[in-house]
Amino acid sequence: DIQMTQDPSSLSASVGDRVTITCRASETINDHLNWYQQRPGKAPKFLMYGASRLHSGVPSRFSGSGSGTDFTLTISSLQPEDFATYYCQQTYISPGTFGQGTKVEVK
Amino acid sequence: VQLQESGPGLVKPLQTLSLTCSVSGESVSSRSYYWSWIRQPAGKGLEWIGRIYGSGTTSYNPSLKSRVTMSLDTSKNQLSLKMTSVTAADTAVYYCARNVLRSFDWLDPWGPGTQVSVSS
Repeated sequence: DIQMTQDPSSLSASVGDRVTITCRASETINDHLNWYQQRPGKAPKFLMYGASRLHSGVPSRFSGSGSGTDFTLTISSLQPEDFATYYCQQTYISPGTFGQGTKVEVK
Repeated sequence: VQLQESGPGLVKPLQTLSLTCSVSGESVSSRSYYWSWIRQPAGKGLEWIGRIYGSGTTSYNPSLKSRVTMSLDTSKNQLSLKMTSVTAADTAVYYCARNVLRSFDWLDPWGPGTQVSVSS
């Protein structure tokens, strides 16, 4: 299976901060990379596919980049509802595998 | 589209876990989507279990393939998951999700999840 590694595992930030989360694949996945947001006690919510393509309705403060093995999720100006755990997922080779998650906490 | 998982919250070791996902707003027999199961142990990450297409074709995670069976009940618009010989390691929140497979592949939306504990 392709291993997905996220960095950091957690971070502390304030409302208005710019936040960047990285995701690295153990082998190339082209741009078959999704991002999900999970709030405590809730199901994951789909944010982005194809590394940089925002799902309908997702605020434009979220952006993604990368190709091959290295990817980033950026929140340009953190909002109160963005405190959550974020997961990347590769879907290039089955089984689709997830990163371990990055928890964005209040500073 | 809305999904809702259901099933027994507690299963004994070595027994079979059976879960159902009720779907509204989309037919599970649609040829436009797959339907996936994903699980998440408490405080841990997500693991894709497998998916089923509207025709009944399935694809499973190799790590679970020997113990997992997915099926559709088109009369009830439901999908089901059966996992045999469960152990404590199968304790998790289990989610169902619509799986879009086009040029890219993603899971949206997800059900709220159902907690399954394996214990005697």
